Amino acid sequence: SQQGEEDPQALSIQEGENATMNCSYKTSINNLQWYRQNSGRGLVHLILIRSNEREKHSGRLRVTLDTSKKSSSLLITASRAADTASYFCATGNTGGFKTIFGAGTRLFVKA
Amino acid sequence: EPEVTQTPSHQVTQMGQEVILRCVPISNHLYFYWYRQILGQKVEFLVSFYNNEISEKSEIFDDQFSVERPDGSNFTLKIRSTKLEDSAMYFCASSEVGGVVQGGAFFGQGTRLTVV
Repeated sequence: SQQGEEDPQALSIQEGENATMNCSYKTSINNLQWYRQNSGRGLVHLILIRSNEREKHSGRLRVTLDTSKKSSSLLITASRAADTASYFCATGNTGGFKTIFGAGTRLFVKA
Repeated sequence: EPEVTQTPSHQVTQMGQEVILRCVPISNHLYFYWYRQILGQKVEFLVSFYNNEISEKSEIFDDQFSVERPDGSNFTLKIRSTKLEDSAMYFCASSEVGGVVQGGAFFGQGTRLTVV
């Protein structure tokens, strides 16, 4: 299995603070993605990082990938109440079509 | 901004009934997917579809499930005889290239299926 596993399972922070979520996976990957899901809603694609990349930025998001440790982190800087959601990492393997999701980190940003 | 559209947003059905979940992928996308998420659990891959055939499917996608692209715009998931454990949020997704290699997949808002 190449499931991504996020930690922590839940994270509660104050608005303005940074939030860091980690993801570990088991097998070789082609890419790793992070998604956000608001309660009961659809999945929103945040960022994709390829296996030959080490870091990627998008607005307040910073993603790192360490293929030697089979891990990734998602940093949300200057968090806002609207960032409250579940965040999932998902891995894609070479030649495959499916994306495997982890269980997610529930982030709660207090105003 | 283009988006994946799913209908209905919520469907309640009796056990044993057939249901069809509908999706309109983004128009220039060629790869289509169905995922499901049982309440409180992970998002699970069901099936991928390309060039009018199934590319890959998971062990969840048994003979009770089928997918179809009946015309140029719709992509459907049919569950022939629903079971209580089929209750979940079903997500449709599409991508421009296979394996979500380049830019990730775009997901719809989901259809919440409740089997009673």
